[in-house]
Amino acid sequence: EVQLVESGGGLVQPGGSLRLSCAASGFTFSSYAMSWVRQAPGKGLEWVSAISGSGGSTYYADSVKGRFTISRDNSKNTLYLQMNSLRAEDTAVYYCAKPVEMATISAAFDIWGQGTMVTVSS
Amino acid sequence: SYVLTQPPSVSVAPGKTARITCGGNNIGSKSVHWYQQKPGQAPVLVIYYDSDRPSGIPERFSGSNSGNTATLTISRVEAGDEADYYCQVWDSSSDLYVVFGGGTKLTVL
Repeated sequence: EVQLVESGGGLVQPGGSLRLSCAASGFTFSSYAMSWVRQAPGKGLEWVSAISGSGGSTYYADSVKGRFTISRDNSKNTLYLQMNSLRAEDTAVYYCAKPVEMATISAAFDIWGQGTMVTVSS
Repeated sequence: SYVLTQPPSVSVAPGKTARITCGGNNIGSKSVHWYQQKPGQAPVLVIYYDSDRPSGIPERFSGSNSGNTATLTISRVEAGDEADYYCQVWDSSSDLYVVFGGGTKLTVL
């Protein structure tokens, strides 16, 4: 079964840091670009970041550029999101998502994790 | 950056047809994907590349895309279709790359 399981969310103070993980199983992880998508409470979906299958190319939304870093460990089938200088507006459920096609970040997301909640508050 | 515009809400009676639109500048030249999200759950892909259906998605769900509007059509609406629906495109010219619409709440009367 194809599965994504996020972890690492929690409560953090403004200006703090957090690292999210997404454990993948059931597919050839290294063949797929992966993305992080977030959803603030009561709001819509917002794409955050993406990374190529090899990890050599990364992409960020302007809202997180310079503060968040996406990475992956293909030997561990795990995707990461390092979040620094966190702000109240980063409060959201963070989902990792797999595209329906290999080797492209432009495809639709056919598999989503259950999400992990990040709350930035003092 | 590229903007996708969806109506905040659509209401439909059971058994009728619901149409949810997604507007964008020349969206017909892009591939549009649609997601269904129920409360407390992760999004589920229901239509990709304008009109393809993933396995397990009922044939009642269909999509079209032309000009400045893409449309998700749900035929013979059921109570279980009540959810938020989001359109999405990839825009390589945008600083956002992956763009989601604001979402439409489908209410089954």
